[in-house]
Amino acid sequence: AQSVTQLGSHVSVSEGALVLLRCNYSSSVPPYLFWYVQYPNQGLQLLLKYTTGATLVKGINGFEAEFKKSETSFHLTKPSAHMSDAAEYFCAVSVGDGTGNQFYFGTGTSLTVIP
Amino acid sequence: EADIYQTPRYLVIGTGKKITLECSQTMGHDKMYWYQQDPGMELHLIHYSYGVNSTEKGDLSSESTVSRIRTEHFPLTLESARPSHTSQYLCASSESWGEGTDTQYFGPGTRLTVL
Repeated sequence: AQSVTQLGSHVSVSEGALVLLRCNYSSSVPPYLFWYVQYPNQGLQLLLKYTTGATLVKGINGFEAEFKKSETSFHLTKPSAHMSDAAEYFCAVSVGDGTGNQFYFGTGTSLTVIP
Repeated sequence: EADIYQTPRYLVIGTGKKITLECSQTMGHDKMYWYQQDPGMELHLIHYSYGVNSTEKGDLSSESTVSRIRTEHFPLTLESARPSHTSQYLCASSESWGEGTDTQYFGPGTRLTVL
């Protein structure tokens, strides 16, 4: 069975500080991993994804994430938070079953940026 | 940029009414999805489709129904709305259904309130 755990439903950082949003997954097969961002009253927008290859993935808006198989983690980071980063962030696992793929989402982390 | 649209964006309706939430995408994607999203919870898949004339129920039991008569259109219908249906409904689509690497693109969502 697949599942996604996001530690911390709310994270607050000061503007200019490091952003670290945690995501751990469980999967019986090699997973594909995604981070999405959701701004108020909008749908989810893809930030970055890991499929194969390099384990450090760079995304939009200066975010990056590192796939660590040994830790079953895919934490999202950004060196310096900006006010516009305030949003809800979702980690997701996608697993193919030969006929398609299913996405499993975490419960989300709400990021607040303090000026 | 993804082109997936949902209407209406907001809907307040009385108990017992029949409603249809519209979702359209202009990307020619085969797979489409409906998710239900409640605050502080993960996204729950309620319906998906592999293509025209294909519809499947997702992980979360839902009293809604869907249809897929055209590739670009995937409406969701509630025959008799109840307050328990109050939620945000997100539509998504993806290009292929290979081994889990395809990205899901989301619409802006419909926030439904049933009085």
